Amino acid sequence: RKEVEQDPGPFNVPEGATVAFNCTYSNSASQSFFWYRQDCRKEPKLLMSVYSSGNEDGRFTAQLNRASQYISLLIRDSKLSDSATYLCAVNRYGGSQGNLIFGKGTKLSVKP
Amino acid sequence: GAGVSQSPSNKVTEKGKDVELRCDPISGHTALYWYRQSLGQGLEFLIYFQGNSAPDKSGLPSDRFSAERTGGSVSTLTIQRTQQEDSAVYLCASSRQYSAEKLFFGSGTQLSVL
Repeated sequence: RKEVEQDPGPFNVPEGATVAFNCTYSNSASQSFFWYRQDCRKEPKLLMSVYSSGNEDGRFTAQLNRASQYISLLIRDSKLSDSATYLCAVNRYGGSQGNLIFGKGTKLSVKP
Repeated sequence: GAGVSQSPSNKVTEKGKDVELRCDPISGHTALYWYRQSLGQGLEFLIYFQGNSAPDKSGLPSDRFSAERTGGSVSTLTIQRTQQEDSAVYLCASSRQYSAEKLFFGSGTQLSVL
């Protein structure tokens, strides 16, 4: 099993749609989880952290399922500007230390 | 500086040459990471520094790749005897403390090996 896995997509959705991505991870001891956004030919930027209790920021909701070892990102009321690649990141080692390992990303394309 | 700075932004080299890529992290950031990203691919972890030491260098693809960090600040990634498969964007990131928290990425070095 890969350390971090994502469905590469692409997810093609109309404006206003709700879309969800999942990301599975292999190390049950991992404690830090994040979603990053990467625009074409740009560097990744942090979208949001994922907490055990879930995390909501406007139209974006991130959740953690420890039992099944996955994190999710839900985008409501999709905008054209949401078109990007969404990368999940998980710390490699137990606790909150160590380096982040990224998934290959899920590409989202929001159409008018 | 205000952000993570990488240089050069673009590097074209001939197969077999050595290249050196530089990363200047955000001032005060103790953790520094190197990743590479090939066209259309995800981020591939290379090496991670805490201060000047590298607790995890497991992602370096071969012994042609090495990295160092001095003064807890600037880092250089060196690729010796470059090969065409080394062509990629090399991204550096830094974070504030010892925990794997928010990473700030530089804009990367696009390396092209001809």
